Parts: sequence; structure tokens; C-alpha cells
Amino acid sequence: SQQGEEDPQALSIQEGENATMNCSYKTSINNLQWYRQNSGRGLVHLILIRSNEREKHSGRLRVTLDTSKKSSSLLITASRAADTASYFCATDGIQGAQKLVFGQGTRLTINP
Amino acid sequence: GAVVSQHPSWVICKSGTSVKIECRSLDFQATTMFWYRQFPKQSLMLMATSNEGSKATYEQGVEKDKFLINHASLTLSTLTVTSAHPEDSSFYICSARALYQETQYFGPGTRLLVL
Repeated sequence: SQQGEEDPQALSIQEGENATMNCSYKTSINNLQWYRQNSGRGLVHLILIRSNEREKHSGRLRVTLDTSKKSSSLLITASRAADTASYFCATDGIQGAQKLVFGQGTRLTINP
Repeated sequence: GAVVSQHPSWVICKSGTSVKIECRSLDFQATTMFWYRQFPKQSLMLMATSNEGSKATYEQGVEKDKFLINHASLTLSTLTVTSAHPEDSSFYICSARALYQETQYFGPGTRLLVL
């Protein structure tokens, strides 16, 4: 079942601006992961944040996790046209099965 | 990062035929592989989880006799869509995970069109 909900569903910004996407989930998690998907392609793993972490950085990416609110955010700074893609959050539950449950995704468009 | 391949990348078939999709981990041993399907502009839905050498675990609502999964080696899993119908047309994506690793690595996907 899908437990992740992302907002906005679509986001269009100018190149150079920052893009923020949010993800909410319902059950307890072991970790939360963010993926990027270019149109018609597979998923690329961006970053993983564990339940005991609050913030993580990777290059131009910044992810936060608030387990009390069951929410996460992905910030892409200084956006580029190549960042245009769909972004999904996925939660890995604490049951140990390591089955990812994906959110509905945010379609990000960076306008040159 | 780790590389996962899928073959074929796209397939068109007639209704009633069976289609086999391969998922390979190229540079690591995948103790667990996952199969997802994705409809246009929608999210990924997990279909089944397969561990090497054992039977796949299917998600609720996924017909195991319709979607046959084999994970015979640590680098290969196959998904066979049996007696495919137009409603099976979708984008099928596999992912692979090594033992004790948290990250799943995804294949590029296979687009299936059933006429």
C-alpha cells in the first residue's frame, strides 16, 4: 500500500532557484529514501536518511526528517535544467522486510 | 554505484502470449530483488519480493500465477507475465539489494505493450 504522500504534485521553477519537496508517511520507519526518475527511465537513488537522523546533505541536496510529524523534505539548491525529473520518497519500515513504499512523487520542472 | 540491468528495455506482444523480463545485478550479489510496476504518471507499486533460492513473496492483489518470478541465482531474477492482456501493459522495474545493505538499486525498466 502507498503510504507516502508528496507535495506538491508538480513544481515548476526557474533555473537557479531552490526547489523544496515534501513527503509525509503514516507508519514507523527504519529509514526514508529519496529517488529521482527521469521520464520513462529507472530510478536513481539520491539519499537515505535513517530514523535517528534529522538532516543529511549530499552536494546540492538537503534532506530533513521529522519522525514526530512523520514527514521529510528534499531541498535542491541552485537548480539546473538537468534536475527536471520526478522525485519520489520511499519509506523502509521497521519490520525488517526492507520493502520500500513509495510516495506519489513530485514532478519538478526547471525552466531555463 | 551498483548497476542493475533489465532486458528487454521494451517489448510489444500480442494478447495471450507470455513475456519474460530479466533483471541482473552486474557488479554485486543481490540476495533480494524486488519487482515493481508503474502506470503512466503514477508511483511505483511493489508486486513481489524475491530472495535467492526461495519462492517469491507477492503483495496483496498480485496474482502469483499471472506474474511468475524466479530468482535462481544471486545476480538474476526473472519476471514472466503469463497470458498477457492489454491491461498488463505497464512499465516494469526491478531493484536489487545486497545482503545487509539498505539501498536498493533500480534497473532502467521494461516497457510492456500488449496489443
